[in-house]
Amino acid sequence: AQRVTQPEKLLSVFKGAPVELKCNYSYSGSPELFWYVQYSRQRLQLLLRHISRESIKGFTADLNKGETSFHLKKPFAQEEDSAMYYCALRGAQKLVFGQGTRLTINP
Amino acid sequence: GAGVSQSPSNKVTEKGKDVELRCDPISGHTALYWYRQSLGQGLEFLIYFQGNSAPDKSGLPSDRFSAERTGGSVSTLTIQRTQQEDSAVYLCASSFGQSRDIQYFGAGTRLSVL
Repeated sequence: AQRVTQPEKLLSVFKGAPVELKCNYSYSGSPELFWYVQYSRQRLQLLLRHISRESIKGFTADLNKGETSFHLKKPFAQEEDSAMYYCALRGAQKLVFGQGTRLTINP
Repeated sequence: GAGVSQSPSNKVTEKGKDVELRCDPISGHTALYWYRQSLGQGLEFLIYFQGNSAPDKSGLPSDRFSAERTGGSVSTLTIQRTQQEDSAVYLCASSFGQSRDIQYFGAGTRLSVL
């Protein structure tokens, strides 16, 4: 079965501090992992995907198949990073999402 | 070009009534997806259309839910005899349909069942 777990519903950090949003997955094949972000009053949008291996808005995420994790990291948080973040897995065509983590960056 | 368009943006209905939610995908996208975003449940897959293939309905929660896609473009999600637990934001997404394509999401329809 495909499953994505984001253990933290809420995460609050101060501006300039490092951020790590955790994501663990369960999938028997070779998964494709994504992070989607939803800013206040905006639509859900792709932040990054593991096959791109790129940094977007200072965020990176590395797929660790041994630990079945795809944690999202940023070394120095900014106030505009406050948003809802969803980790997602694609096995077949559909996306399976985690419950989401609401990140708040305090000034 | 325009993104995924959903209408209405908000819908308030009474328990027991039927509702129809509409999705206009991005032009040229052959794959279309419906998801539901509800409090405490996160984002759940509902149904997936790809070209002329039979849709993947594996996420529909009950037989009160159905969806169709006419002419390979616009899709309508219908909920019959709505219940209060159907209250949620219904999101539509589309993609080119290749196995590694990105899904682009609409702004959603917020459904409130009173």
